[in-house]
Amino acid sequence: QVQLQESGPGLLKPSETLSLTCTVSGGSVRSGSSYWSWIRQPPGKGLEWIGYIYYGGSTNYNPSLKSRLTISIDTSENQFSLKLSSVTAADTAVYYCAREARSLSALDYWGQGTLVTVSS
Amino acid sequence: DIQMTQSPSSLSASVGDRVTITCQASQDIRNYLNWYQQKPGKAPKLLISDATNLQRGVPSRFSGSGSGTDFAFTISSLQPEDIATYYCQQSDNVRTFGQGTKLEIK
Repeated sequence: QVQLQESGPGLLKPSETLSLTCTVSGGSVRSGSSYWSWIRQPPGKGLEWIGYIYYGGSTNYNPSLKSRLTISIDTSENQFSLKLSSVTAADTAVYYCAREARSLSALDYWGQGTLVTVSS
Repeated sequence: DIQMTQSPSSLSASVGDRVTITCQASQDIRNYLNWYQQKPGKAPKLLISDATNLQRGVPSRFSGSGSGTDFAFTISSLQPEDIATYYCQQSDNVRTFGQGTKLEIK
């Protein structure tokens, strides 16, 4: 059973860089059967797919965020991370990490989510 | 980008009713369409992958259909525990979600 846990600051100021880490247990980020993904949800709104990374380092990003976004992977710690630069209030959301099973092309395991608020 | 148009945005139905939510893709996505259920304060849960593939442990009253650009998600007999928001998601290339359907009990 794969488990994922997000961690990182919950409050940022505008123009700062959002940094979150997802720790994976019960599975390996080296798994060739998985894409390691980030999704966010502004309060009271719908889901927005952010992007994913494959263990070899290849990535797939939401074009609307691509210029500010970096997703990386740390196989030694069994973690993957999100960095989003130059944040504004529009980036306030619950951020989820998740595993996309390549065999399903679907997000089958999710973290509990972490709220990140951008406010001056 | 592929746009997903999900409807309705909200739906009120009675226990035992048959409920259907639709999702339309802006271009052909073959069967790369997933359905998720999200309850308040919780992460989404995958119910159906590849348009029709019911995930293990998901009740058989849930089903999915469609291919290409037009898809549907059906609950054959609505139960009180099905109250949630449902999302479609395409996974053909850059992933996108539908806007969501909030399902309430009448």
